[in-house]
Amino acid sequence: ILNVEQSPQSLHVQEGDSTNFTCSFPSSNFYALHWYRWETAKSPEALFVMTLNGDEKKKGRISATLNTKEGYSYLYIKGSQPEDSATYLCALLSGGSYIPTFGRGTSLIVHP
Amino acid sequence: EAGVTQSPTHLIKTRGQQATLRCSPISGHTSVYWYQQALGLGLQFLLWYDEGEERNRGNFPPRFSGRQFPNYSSELNVNALELEDSALYLCASSRIYSNQPQHFGDGTRLSIL
Repeated sequence: ILNVEQSPQSLHVQEGDSTNFTCSFPSSNFYALHWYRWETAKSPEALFVMTLNGDEKKKGRISATLNTKEGYSYLYIKGSQPEDSATYLCALLSGGSYIPTFGRGTSLIVHP
Repeated sequence: EAGVTQSPTHLIKTRGQQATLRCSPISGHTSVYWYQQALGLGLQFLLWYDEGEERNRGNFPPRFSGRQFPNYSSELNVNALELEDSALYLCASSRIYSNQPQHFGDGTRLSIL
């Protein structure tokens, strides 16, 4: 059973703050890592697909990095806005399996 | 492009009853995945269907079952409902053997009284 850990579990920040959180995973047999944003009462929405060690992806104020050798990915949000409030999930695909293993998520609340 | 659709949105049942949840994938996707999110837990993989066949199942008892129809829509059936089955059930679709993220529905909230 793969263990995908996300930290912190929850985070409260003020509007305009920059923040980051971590997804840790077993480094062996890595295939791909996905980041999702999950807003309340909506469906999880894919943010990034990370496949190569050293990958850096960016979408607006949100970016992500990947280190497959040490088994972690960071998600950064620059200048947080209230609309960034959501749970951020990471999901690991490891070699031979097309069933993602999800972390428990980081709940972000951005206060105006 | 229509997204993944799930029905019903909410379902209230009593212990011992049976529940049926439905999912329609995005056009062009043949794989359908079912997940359970119980209170305080992450998404737990339940079942994976592709081309009408069950490809894999998670660590859940046999009373969790399902099927996939020729149009790739899917049903999740839960028999002999127990209180701990109360959860959000999410369906996701993708192309088979893809490393791309899945597309999720809004979920069915199942409450067992």
